[in-house]
Amino acid sequence: DAGITQSPRHKVTETGTPVTLRCHQTENHRYMYWYRQDPGHGLRLIHYSYGVKDTDKGEVSDGYSVSRSKTEDFLLTLESATSSQTSVYFCATKTGGGSGGFNNEQFFGPGTRLTVL
Amino acid sequence: QQQVKQSPQSLIVQKGGISIINCAYENTAFDYFPWYQQFPGKGPALLIAIRPDVSEKKEGRFTISFNKSAKQFSLHIMDSQPGDSATYFCAGREWSDYKLSFGAGTTVTVRA
Repeated sequence: DAGITQSPRHKVTETGTPVTLRCHQTENHRYMYWYRQDPGHGLRLIHYSYGVKDTDKGEVSDGYSVSRSKTEDFLLTLESATSSQTSVYFCATKTGGGSGGFNNEQFFGPGTRLTVL
Repeated sequence: QQQVKQSPQSLIVQKGGISIINCAYENTAFDYFPWYQQFPGKGPALLIAIRPDVSEKKEGRFTISFNKSAKQFSLHIMDSQPGDSATYFCAGREWSDYKLSFGAGTTVTVRA
């Protein structure tokens, strides 16, 4: 494992409530990513970060926001949870160095199962 | 829309058989094609990867075949074992980018 933890691991919440998921890494990796995994859709990128306070949107960013105030922590917030956001959320990290050599691998955390009722 | 299309959605193979998963991509700027393996309740993990300047890469029982002109690549699992039962994702990435575009995944079940 690349030293990635996610919390909580399971959460049940109600529609309309805010939810924050946390990703913590001990590898000092520059890049961090949030994905959601749904049957038939694979892994879809929500947001990613390329450094402290540097974040950008992925393909399914509506309804989500992120923050990265420290290298090791990347937070995903569902501002007002909806049932369509019921999913398994994965955090991933990647070391720096861009496209070359052995710097391409993304390391995934264990996931958070979120249910929005 | 998904930039990488993966098939089949699921497959069942007998122990010792060959599992074949196919992927097709649209983006000709992709220069790196990894396969990830995911066991139930776990996060995906890198299995094997290829660049488009080679047509085949083999690591143990796992082989990627790559056809640049057809914009297709596939994963072959030789001598499939029950421990290979997992979900497999193909992906592609542009040389200038840090993001992966994943296929929808294939669930492989190896029957003993």
